[in-house]
Amino acid sequence: DAKTTQPPSMDCAEGRAANLPCNHSTISGNEYVYWYRQIHSQGPQYIIHGLKNNETNEMASLIITEDRKSSTLILPHATLRDTAVYYCIVRVATSGTYKYIFGTGTRLKVLA
Amino acid sequence: DGGITQSPKYLFRKEGQNVTLSCEQNLNHDAMYWYRQDPGQGLRLIYYSQIVNDFQKGDIAEGYSVSREKKESFPLTVTSAQKNPTAFYLCASSAHTGIQYFGAGTRLSVL
Repeated sequence: DAKTTQPPSMDCAEGRAANLPCNHSTISGNEYVYWYRQIHSQGPQYIIHGLKNNETNEMASLIITEDRKSSTLILPHATLRDTAVYYCIVRVATSGTYKYIFGTGTRLKVLA
Repeated sequence: DGGITQSPKYLFRKEGQNVTLSCEQNLNHDAMYWYRQDPGQGLRLIYYSQIVNDFQKGDIAEGYSVSREKKESFPLTVTSAQKNPTAFYLCASSAHTGIQYFGAGTRLSVL
């Protein structure tokens, strides 16, 4: 199964862009990348996903490299409420269904 | 309003006891999932189900069992064979988009 690796922690100044990297060098051609975040003791919240094109929504942008071996989640103007653990996930097709491979996540701290 | 409901929020298990965690969704999603999260760790997949009356083992299924008799419900039983059950348990469902929606979780502790 494709695996993801992320830095364990990052800091970002409030109002600046937060760029969170993810390595998924063994990803297959039809496997999507999803990003979620988890605020302490809550269920993870969906942020964005993509296959090979860059994506943007109201929360964030997702940049996927051309070889698809890595991606970057961009929070354009980080606020204190963006402090959370961010997970980069690969969705894997298996036995006619899908399962999601979670990494250990990046703990983002937004500093005032 | 729509979503995933997990109950109870906190649960205590005695030695040798089986306990069941409830997960209900009204999103009309076909797929449902159970994850375990230990302190400071990521989510690990216990079981998943794509359709009613069918489910597959995830990466850490030993000591757990599930059923999927209704589309809306995917209960997880933590059996006495699970020797280290203390963890945060999360249930999720997903639609054709692949986006997973998570419940608020159940925190299980051993007495």
